[in-house]
Amino acid sequence: DQQVKQNSPSLSVQEGRISILNCDYTNSMFDYFLWYKKYPAEGPTFLISISSIKDKNEDGRFTVFLNKSAKHLSLHIVPSQPGDSAVYFCAAIPTGTASKLTFGTGTRLQVTL
Amino acid sequence: EAGVTQSPTHLIKTRGQQATLRCSPISGHTSVYWYQQALGLGLQFLLWYDEGEERNRGNFPPRFSGRQFPNYSSELNVNALELEDSALYLCASSGSRDRARANYGYTFGSGTRLTVV
Repeated sequence: DQQVKQNSPSLSVQEGRISILNCDYTNSMFDYFLWYKKYPAEGPTFLISISSIKDKNEDGRFTVFLNKSAKHLSLHIVPSQPGDSAVYFCAAIPTGTASKLTFGTGTRLQVTL
Repeated sequence: EAGVTQSPTHLIKTRGQQATLRCSPISGHTSVYWYQQALGLGLQFLLWYDEGEERNRGNFPPRFSGRQFPNYSSELNVNALELEDSALYLCASSGSRDRARANYGYTFGSGTRLTVV
């Protein structure tokens, strides 16, 4: 039962353009969402997060949008850079005390020159 | 501040053997989480330890077990290794359960690459 889904296993974007990574969830109890970035042979690193009381959070080139009614979130990277090439995971935490993060399956982003 | 450290970085075992993976959390973090990333799959939750106790367990067979020591470091044991156990095993730590959000989720180690032959 995959509660957090990233339906696109890979995405290729040209340098300078916008990258949009999507994530869907099924559990209504999730109220905090995070994006992680992972390079090969390294652990995931935190990128950006959003609480369910917001619909947008921005940090530099990275913006996360949350559509609670659609149970959908997206990560926008503008402009995309070659160093952004990595696997991106979305993750979610349910309401209440902190619990384990539930991760999506990841999307491999490749930014081409 | 030292990050989450995992050892060994690589481990090769034969089928049927046992593997022991180790994790040291960030100083002050009391929660340790173990995840498995098999080839082509996402991060699958294995185990969560907090304050020395197992708090939650993922959908893995009992031959996956672990413990957390008084200094909050943790060990993951995999018994009777099978070929499909080959994966990257990631450990993460966070502050107390109630503060995980403020700590922006987890801090991950670089993982242990387990290969079962």
